[in-house]
Amino acid sequence: EAEVAQSPRYKITEKSQAVAFWCDPISGHATLYWYRQILGQGPELLVQFQDESVVDDSQLPKDRFSAERLKGVDSTLKIQPAELGDSAMYLCASSPRRQGAGDIQYFGAGTRLSVL
Amino acid sequence: GENVEQHPSTLSVQEGDSAVIKCTYSDSASNYFPWYKQELGKGPQLIIDIRSNVGEKKDQRIAVTLNKTAKHFSLHITETQPEDSAVYFCAASSYSSASKIIFGSGTRLSIRP
Repeated sequence: EAEVAQSPRYKITEKSQAVAFWCDPISGHATLYWYRQILGQGPELLVQFQDESVVDDSQLPKDRFSAERLKGVDSTLKIQPAELGDSAMYLCASSPRRQGAGDIQYFGAGTRLSVL
Repeated sequence: GENVEQHPSTLSVQEGDSAVIKCTYSDSASNYFPWYKQELGKGPQLIIDIRSNVGEKKDQRIAVTLNKTAKHFSLHITETQPEDSAVYFCAASSYSSASKIIFGSGTRLSIRP
């Protein structure tokens, strides 16, 4: 069964350092999402790509966060500099392009970030 | 924008009993309502979804109901088993919002043996 791959699974860093997370969506999926999930809460969308284009990055803190999906396949989310409040699970999801309302999103296992 | 409220935040039921989780949403344009199950250390996994053109959907022990007039939807799990213990999230989405999914805050379900 195809899965969304994320790495690393865990990342510990000190504040003010740079961190990067990688995501490889299910093959053929045109839409890719990055979410942040704070412990005890639901995932919140950070950025959505359709192929290589950003569709929605309204909740992405652009002063420190950046995301790219250069070839419309895998994607990287970067934080520079990391702050204590960035400690969370970062989830990647993908969905196939389809007509109609609502695309099913398939999630990866996430990257657990701890900022010390 | 859309707001999804979910309750209860925690739920403990005896194995074999039923569990019900309820959600409300604010955006009348929402037309897709998925439910996700998240086990410890894993990402959310879709367990069932419903679209606005139906009022109920069932898949084995899991069922979801939707009341568009009242803007609420519910997840029903019957004959609960230990492996049902997890955090469950409801969500809402509309095609007009580029399929952006808004999640509820989650329900931690515990099944007592």
